[in-house]
Amino acid sequence: AQKITQTQPGMFVQEKEAVTLDCTYDTSDPSYGLFWYKQPSSGEMIFLIYQGSYDQQNATEGRYSLNFQKARKSANLVISASQLGDSAMYFCAMREAQGGSNYKLTFGKGTLLTVNP
Amino acid sequence: ETGVTQSPTHLIKTRGQQVTLRCSSQSGHNTVSWYQQALGQGPQFIFQYYREEENGRGNFPPRFSGLQFPNYSSELNVNALELDDSALYLCASSARPGQINEKLFFGSGTQLSVL
Repeated sequence: AQKITQTQPGMFVQEKEAVTLDCTYDTSDPSYGLFWYKQPSSGEMIFLIYQGSYDQQNATEGRYSLNFQKARKSANLVISASQLGDSAMYFCAMREAQGGSNYKLTFGKGTLLTVNP
Repeated sequence: ETGVTQSPTHLIKTRGQQVTLRCSSQSGHNTVSWYQQALGQGPQFIFQYYREEENGRGNFPPRFSGLQFPNYSSELNVNALELDDSALYLCASSARPGQINEKLFFGSGTQLSVL
């Protein structure tokens, strides 16, 4: 089974509007971390936001917020006030604590976001 | 603060050849991880090096090997290249290996094409 599922291959949003990128995950580990990365056409993966499984509040970093619904195993990224420079691939990733997996991130297949002027 | 740098940026090889990719970690980081990103896919973990030792490996065959040097820079070596090895190879560094909330800092990658 896929550990990270991103069901939206592509999304379009108008400049200055908000957009939600979906991510669901699968783990039986009670301790895990969820990450979102942005990958522009240059190739570099840029860290956006982190949510720990024990965090009581949803994470926020500037225009980025994470809608964490633990019971549904979802960690959706919300980008407010979209900018043209937000056009990129967005990846959801997870790090699990147990089973010796804490050294790696497991990524989803990504969502290509296009911001229209 | 110097970020993660990778070289070369692009490489073309033929099937059966060997290739070495290089990575300089971010200043102050002692851990380097390598990921393979095939076209249209998310990155897949290859292995991680901490203090010159491999301390984690993904589902990649032994022809994928690596090194980490005392200055924490790293190499990824791939022997007997296959067509499916064509991908973007990403290097990432971090300072606190094994911490759940540790974020990775990535380079821009090496685009490898195997013909």
